Amino acid sequence: DAKTTQPPSMDCAEGRAANLPCNHSTISGNEYVYWYRQIHSQGPQYIIHGLKNNETNEMASLIITEDRKSSTLILPHATLRDTAVYYCIVKVGGTSYGKLTFGQGTILTVHP
Amino acid sequence: DGGITQSPKYLFRKEGQNVTLSCEQNLNHDAMYWYRQDPGQGLRLIYYSQIVNDFQKGDIAEGYSVSREKKESFPLTVTSAQKNPTAFYLCASSIETGRISSGANVLTFGAGSRLTVL
Repeated sequence: DAKTTQPPSMDCAEGRAANLPCNHSTISGNEYVYWYRQIHSQGPQYIIHGLKNNETNEMASLIITEDRKSSTLILPHATLRDTAVYYCIVKVGGTSYGKLTFGQGTILTVHP
Repeated sequence: DGGITQSPKYLFRKEGQNVTLSCEQNLNHDAMYWYRQDPGQGLRLIYYSQIVNDFQKGDIAEGYSVSREKKESFPLTVTSAQKNPTAFYLCASSIETGRISSGANVLTFGAGSRLTVL
C-alpha cells in the first residue's frame, strides 16, 4: 500500500473551512484514499473515501488531484467538535481484508 | 443501534497477569481487527480475522492471542509475555471486501479499552 504524508498539525478558525492535505505520490491505480478522524480517547471514525473522482458526503468533501498523487479533505464549516487527529490512508481495493495502516495523522485544532 | 462494544473501558492489571479484552459487534460484519495505540502515535495492527475460526497475525502480534469462535465476538488476550502492555486497545470490524462491488472497505471502530499495567 502506498505511503502517505500529512502535516503534523494545523489550525482553523471556527466557521471557516478546514483544508487538510495529504500526499500519496506513489499511489497506484487501484488504491483508494480513505480519511478517518479520531477525537481524543475515542475510536477512529470513518469520514470519506474516494478512488478518482471528488467525493462529498454530509461530513466532508474529498478532492483528489488528476494525477492522484495528492488529495485534500475539506470540512466546509469547522466547529470546535471537529478538533481531532485526521488520518489519510491509502489502501488497495478489492483485497481480501480491510487492513488499514494508520500513521500519525494531522492534529487539527479548531479555535473559537 | 448497530455497533461495536468493547469492555472494559478501563482496566488495571499487575505485571505477570493475563487479561482479556472483549469485543462484540452486531453489524453482521465478517472481518474483525484489533489495533493498539500508544500516546501520540498512530494505530498498529495486532490481529485480524476474516471469518469465524480463522485469524491472522498483524504487525505486532507477539504477546497477544485471539479467538474467533463466533462471528460477532473477537476477544483479545494480553499475555504476560507482552513486554509493554500499557496502551489503548481498539477493536474494529468491516464487511469482507469480496462482498463489496466497489472494492472499498470501511472500518467501524469501538470506543476502545485502556489497559494500564501497575
